[in-house]
Amino acid sequence: KQEVTQIPAALSVPEGENLVLNCSFTDSAIYNLQWFRQDPGKGLTSLLLIQSSQREQTSGRLNASLDKSSGRSTLYIAASQPGDSATYLCAVLMNRDDKIIFGKGTRLHILP
Amino acid sequence: EAQVTQNPRYLITVTGKKLTVTCSQNMNHEYMSWYRQDPGLGLRQIYYSMNVEVTDKGDVPEGYKVSRKEKRNFPLILESPSPNQTSLYFCASSPGRLAGGSEQYFGPGTRLTVT
Repeated sequence: KQEVTQIPAALSVPEGENLVLNCSFTDSAIYNLQWFRQDPGKGLTSLLLIQSSQREQTSGRLNASLDKSSGRSTLYIAASQPGDSATYLCAVLMNRDDKIIFGKGTRLHILP
Repeated sequence: EAQVTQNPRYLITVTGKKLTVTCSQNMNHEYMSWYRQDPGLGLRQIYYSMNVEVTDKGDVPEGYKVSRKEKRNFPLILESPSPNQTSLYFCASSPGRLAGGSEQYFGPGTRLTVT
């Protein structure tokens, strides 16, 4: 059964620093991987989606990479800002039946 | 405004009393899904629907029912709620299948407490 792990569970960094969030999965037969952001008390917002055939995706200060063979993805945030404080979740789509498995998230706090 | 709405946002109920949480989207999306989020367990998929009258089980379907009679609505039904169904529930919709790379849009969440 697919398991998605995110390390660390929580992270605090000073404003302006670059940082990396990690996501690993046990079954490499994924269809795609997606990174989401969740603000307290709110729903999820999609940040980046990487198809299994892709190596990375970029959007503004965010860059997500995927190494399917090793079961790993990273989310790189450049020049962090206090507004980046949120919980970041990764999710993998296992097959064409559209079942999605989420990690438990990394709670990020950017210190002003 | 394009959005996914859920009602109610907060609900406290008692064990065994049937309830329905409604989900509606105004974006003509084909795909809709329900999730529950629990501390320490993360977000887990309950049911999903790829179109009207087409529904499939997610990771944790036990104790839940869904229906998709109209494209815009995807209600979550708890026939006999139990305390272990106390959770934060999210509905989401997507223009097409997730396998096609479609982005999901999430509702604001429904916090359910079953006593």
